[in-house]
Amino acid sequence: EPEVTQTPSHQVTQMGQEVILRCVPISNHLYFYWYRQILGQKVEFLVSFYNNEISEKSEIFDDQFSVERPDGSNFTLKIRSTKLEDSAMYFCASSLQGNPGELFFGEGSRLTVL
Amino acid sequence: QKEVEQNSGPLSVPEGAIASLNCTYSDRGSQSFFWYRQYSGKSPELIMSIYSNGDKEDGRFTAQLNKASQYVSLLIRDSQPSDSATYLCGPQGGSEKLVFGKGTKLTVNP
Repeated sequence: EPEVTQTPSHQVTQMGQEVILRCVPISNHLYFYWYRQILGQKVEFLVSFYNNEISEKSEIFDDQFSVERPDGSNFTLKIRSTKLEDSAMYFCASSLQGNPGELFFGEGSRLTVL
Repeated sequence: QKEVEQNSGPLSVPEGAIASLNCTYSDRGSQSFFWYRQYSGKSPELIMSIYSNGDKEDGRFTAQLNKASQYVSLLIRDSQPSDSATYLCGPQGGSEKLVFGKGTKLTVNP
């Protein structure tokens, strides 16, 4: 069964460092998303991406964050100058055109900022 | 700010009982509604979608939608210990963005 894959599963970084989280969405999906979940809190929308551009972003997704689809398969989230409060599980998701609410999530990348 | 409210629980039911999970939303433009299940330490997975007022049944799960009351619910019949998880409600409005509630933690006791 097709699945969304994310790497790394866990990354530990020092405050101020840059981090890139990688995702391979399901191949025929056209919408891509990043969500984050701080431990014990809700799953929060960060950004959606369609047709090679950001279609919507939340207030969390400030200039510290960027997304990119560098090739036909990968979808990346870059966090510049990480802060302690960026520590969270980051989920990538994808969906088909026509069913954007039916998200398929990856297993997540846990980011720990020290 | 679009709000999604769920009874945070925890909700505890005995095995075999009906679990009732509720969700209200503030965005009257929401047209599609989704229930996701999230096991502890795992990612959310879609279990039900509902687009029209009324009930939609899928196995032991029934989703109920009342757009006039801005209310959506999920009933789980014959609850099993494997149903123990956090259930996320996600209404979707005029964009592809899905905003989740805080979730209701369900525990099914054997």
